[in-house]
Amino acid sequence: DAGVTQSPTHLIKTRGQQVTLRCSPKSGHDTVSWYQQALGQGPQFIFQYYEEEERQRGNFPDRFSGHQFPNYSSELNVNALLLGDSALYLCASSSLGQGGEKLFFGSGTQLSVL
Amino acid sequence: KQEVTQIPAALSVPEGENLVLNCSFTDSAIYNLQWFRQDPGKGLTSLLLIQSSQREQTSGRLNASLDKSSGRSTLYIAASQPGDSATYLCAVHDTDKLIFGTGTRLQVFP
Repeated sequence: DAGVTQSPTHLIKTRGQQVTLRCSPKSGHDTVSWYQQALGQGPQFIFQYYEEEERQRGNFPDRFSGHQFPNYSSELNVNALLLGDSALYLCASSSLGQGGEKLFFGSGTQLSVL
Repeated sequence: KQEVTQIPAALSVPEGENLVLNCSFTDSAIYNLQWFRQDPGKGLTSLLLIQSSQREQTSGRLNASLDKSSGRSTLYIAASQPGDSATYLCAVHDTDKLIFGTGTRLQVFP
């Protein structure tokens, strides 16, 4: 049983470019959440997708957008990259509606913006 | 607004010691609390999940307690080993998202 998988593992971009990160949830999970973790900080919630819609969003600008596909996999898109977007981006999956369900995280995508 | 704090920020101990890592949160209205381990540059590995109705959870050498009324959780690591070296994060489950502390960086030396 595969856990949460993310791709790519590392990415280097320049300011102003756009990037797409991908996530496949753990088998049996229908909800995907994205987090940004800056160096030395705890992860910060970006948004959550369920039934192909954004259910909840953290304090991130509209440059951050996402999508969920019918097979529950998800993409995170970041436009007009800034140096401050350099971080580890983590995807987490869970099963909605089970109140307090444990979240499972992928290994992350390390994004460097030059 | 929920805030999560972890102390100490860093800890260096000799192998074999018993450790206590602390986590505090400002709003007691949480669904659950989850402890994670993170190795450098890697993702998060879930260690223990404590539901809001529970007081503690145990897994092997790890024991986590939760006191909602005081807004505190502790992670107890028994007989620490060099392989326990990592950053330990606690997170409270706030509706549909996790709110994380900044972590405790643990180094266990032989």
